[in-house]
Amino acid sequence: AQSVTQLGSHVSVSEGALVLLRCNYSSSVPPYLFWYVQYPNQGLQLLLKYTSAATLVKGINGFEAEFKKSETSFHLTKPSAHMSDAAEYFCAVSDTGTASKLTFGTGTRLQVTL
Amino acid sequence: NAGVTQTPKFRVLKTGQSMTLLCAQDMNHEYMYWYRQDPGMGLRLIHYSVGEGTTAKGEVPDGYNVSRLKKQNFLLGLESAAPSQTSVYFCASSYYTGTQQYFGPGTRLTVT
Repeated sequence: AQSVTQLGSHVSVSEGALVLLRCNYSSSVPPYLFWYVQYPNQGLQLLLKYTSAATLVKGINGFEAEFKKSETSFHLTKPSAHMSDAAEYFCAVSDTGTASKLTFGTGTRLQVTL
Repeated sequence: NAGVTQTPKFRVLKTGQSMTLLCAQDMNHEYMYWYRQDPGMGLRLIHYSVGEGTTAKGEVPDGYNVSRLKKQNFLLGLESAAPSQTSVYFCASSYYTGTQQYFGPGTRLTVT
């Protein structure tokens, strides 16, 4: 069974600082990997996805993530945090079989301070 | 193009009551999913469908039933609500394997 671990349920950074949200996955086959963002009282929006093309994936709003097979990691980064980045971030893994069911991590709430 | 919509947005039930949540998508997606979101647990898959007339169990299916009579709609039913089903429910859809899932805005359900 697949699983996703997100280290740190809460992360706080200053505006302009580097954002690093950690995600490790376990999967018996090369997976599809996703980062979603959830703003308060809203649904989830896709930030970026890895589907076995380039290992460095660029997403929306200046976010990017690097797939490292040897470390089974897919950490999310942004060079300079903005107040509008405050939200909850979810890493998810999908197998390559039918239905592409997602297994989510428990989420990391990002706080951005002045 | 409304994307994925969910009805209702909020609902309060008493223990033992029943209700149906409606999910609709206008993107002609084959796959549809129901998740529940609980604090500190992320999203967990309840049931899913890979096409009209098909349904399958996810990670936490007990106490729920689903139907996909039309391609664009996916219904989630609670036959006898329990306080443990208090949660936020999200519907999602996707086109095919490996593509992103598009999420609805959620339904906040409270069972007292």
